[in-house]
Amino acid sequence: EAGVVQSPRYKIIEKKQPVAFWCNPISGHNTLYWYLQNLGQGPELLIRYENEEAVDDSQLPKDRFSAERLKGVDSTLKIQPAELGDSAVYLCASSLSGLVPGELFFGEGSRLTVL
Amino acid sequence: AQKVTQAQTEISVVEKEDVTLDCVYETRDTTYYLFWYKQPPSGELVFLIRRNSFDEQNEISGRYSWNFQKSTSSFNFTITASQVVDSAVYFCALSEPNQGGKLIFGQGTELSVKP
Repeated sequence: EAGVVQSPRYKIIEKKQPVAFWCNPISGHNTLYWYLQNLGQGPELLIRYENEEAVDDSQLPKDRFSAERLKGVDSTLKIQPAELGDSAVYLCASSLSGLVPGELFFGEGSRLTVL
Repeated sequence: AQKVTQAQTEISVVEKEDVTLDCVYETRDTTYYLFWYKQPPSGELVFLIRRNSFDEQNEISGRYSWNFQKSTSSFNFTITASQVVDSAVYFCALSEPNQGGKLIFGQGTELSVKP
């Protein structure tokens, strides 16, 4: 069974440019998460989806970040415009359900470098 | 407030040594879940274990063992007879019910096992 797939793995852009990351969760997983991981730190939640609904986006900087999960399957995270401080790894994860905390399955992440 | 502290930033051992990774957590809930994840250089976080707050039994899985002590709010992870393949960053994480499976991660401990 395929795991969580993310693309691109690496992205280098100049500041003020837009960037988008894509995530395809494990088939049948209703809950999808986007996490931000800064260098040398643990991941921090940006947004959580239950099917197509964003149920927790309190940590998402909405002035420049946006996300969508149309049809409740794959998801896109966008940054526009990017800033130097956005350089980090963006991790996508999925789980069967968020009702009871269980195992999250993570993708390999998208590493963003903003110059 | 929820918080997870991994005081050891880096640990270096020689193969076959035993090593313990410390994790201390803070929560006001009586029901919660604790996790350990492994992040190898590929970047994908790999689930190792989940523990709920009502189960204080220690667990052993091969060379891995976990010591959960509510009295000290600790959930330590021991690798016995370490191997080079154990080299990775290890994260301890906390989750509470009604948080949709959201994980609060510690800062991580980078383990280096030298041959």
